[in-house]
Amino acid sequence: DTAVSQTPKYLVTQMGNDKSIKCEQNLGHDTMYWYKQDSKKFLKIMFSYNNKELIINETVPNRFSPKSPDKAHLNLHINSLELGDSAVYFCASSQATITEAFFGQGTRLTVV
Amino acid sequence: AQSVTQLDSHVSVSEGTPVLLRCNYSSSYSPSLFWYVQHPNKGLQLLLKYTSAATLVKGINGFEAEFKKSETSFHLTKPSAHMSDAAEYFCVVITGFQKLVFGTGTRLLVSP
Repeated sequence: DTAVSQTPKYLVTQMGNDKSIKCEQNLGHDTMYWYKQDSKKFLKIMFSYNNKELIINETVPNRFSPKSPDKAHLNLHINSLELGDSAVYFCASSQATITEAFFGQGTRLTVV
Repeated sequence: AQSVTQLDSHVSVSEGTPVLLRCNYSSSYSPSLFWYVQHPNKGLQLLLKYTSAATLVKGINGFEAEFKKSETSFHLTKPSAHMSDAAEYFCVVITGFQKLVFGTGTRLLVSP
């Protein structure tokens, strides 16, 4: 049973397109996150939701919009994709905002 | 602000020899610290966590870490490396803003 699952695993798209990445967790956690991993493996938080409410919004371009329809899902929509958006995006969840997070397998986004 | 510094970008060991991956933290109070591992093209897996209980923390796959307040360190060790340990390792701290902050990672290379 996959605890945190993301789809798709790979996404190749052209500049200017709009795309979405979906995330679901079956751990019953209250908090979900999106992290971005760049080409140097550096991981940085983008967003955090607790009980469907946005609690962390880092300095991310407003082309990125997270949406949490319920506690088990946190989707990431990206408008007008740019070359610099190419990265691996990880979804994660945690029981609370001060405990360890469990990560999905990642979505490798390539913008061409 | 809480942060972690991983002192080595790469560590090379031979199979069967000890592993030491170094991490120093910066925190104004007792932090929660974690080590995660990322195998090639995989997601992030929690190895172990420190949350102000025992200072020596045992994790999965024979790894352990010791929290040393006097040295502000949380180094990861394993007595005997296995080929399957080759991966990227991340030291992580939870900040007062309730987010995981990752170190820059240490790539562990294991030679036969």
